[in-house]
Amino acid sequence: SHELTQPPSVSVSPGQTARITCSGDALSRQYGYWYQQKPGQAPVAVIYKDTERPSGIPARFSGSSSGSTLTLIISEVQAEDEADYYCQSPDSTATYRVFGGGTKLTVL
Amino acid sequence: EVHLVQSGADVKEPGESLKISCYASGYSFPTYWIGWVRQRPGKGLEWMGFIYPNDSDTRYSPSFQGQVTISADKSMNTAYLQWRSLRASDTAMYYCARRKRDDNYIDIWGKGTAVTVSS
Repeated sequence: SHELTQPPSVSVSPGQTARITCSGDALSRQYGYWYQQKPGQAPVAVIYKDTERPSGIPARFSGSSSGSTLTLIISEVQAEDEADYYCQSPDSTATYRVFGGGTKLTVL
Repeated sequence: EVHLVQSGADVKEPGESLKISCYASGYSFPTYWIGWVRQRPGKGLEWMGFIYPNDSDTRYSPSFQGQVTISADKSMNTAYLQWRSLRASDTAMYYCARRKRDDNYIDIWGKGTAVTVSS
């Protein structure tokens, strides 16, 4: 089965860089996506196709991919970036999609 | 402007059936994948399945295959998520979501429908 693994939590001080990883076998063959979810709100896409940023997403959000690991990079972290972040990708045959378990980003 | 308007919260008993809806406006409903994402209380997002309304091609996560039915009515611009027999473990927020063409990410989300299953 297709699974994506994320660390449960990441902490960073304001102004520093946060890196959130996501690992899964299918990521070596499929694009990855990242979503931000704040409490009580629907998620919002922040990165698509590994490295692309939707319009309206600040440039401090970026993504990278290497082998079976996807990374979300948030530069110059701000208090408003505190949220849960989920990676997502299709399975190896692109039949269905899966979310990672989510990472809670805490801004200290 | 593109909107997904979901049906209201519902409270059901175990064993009951339920069908929730998602009305789409502001775009060509038949030609975008639309589907459902579950979030249990305090837990993460779970991709349930998506449907392409133009031809009803439906893709389910293996975790939800056979547990729910996703459908769409092109004439009503509405997608549905249906259960035959609810369980307490179905208690969750259910988000309707549209997948953006070509870029393939979810660009539009509904506000969610809270389903509570309790005796």
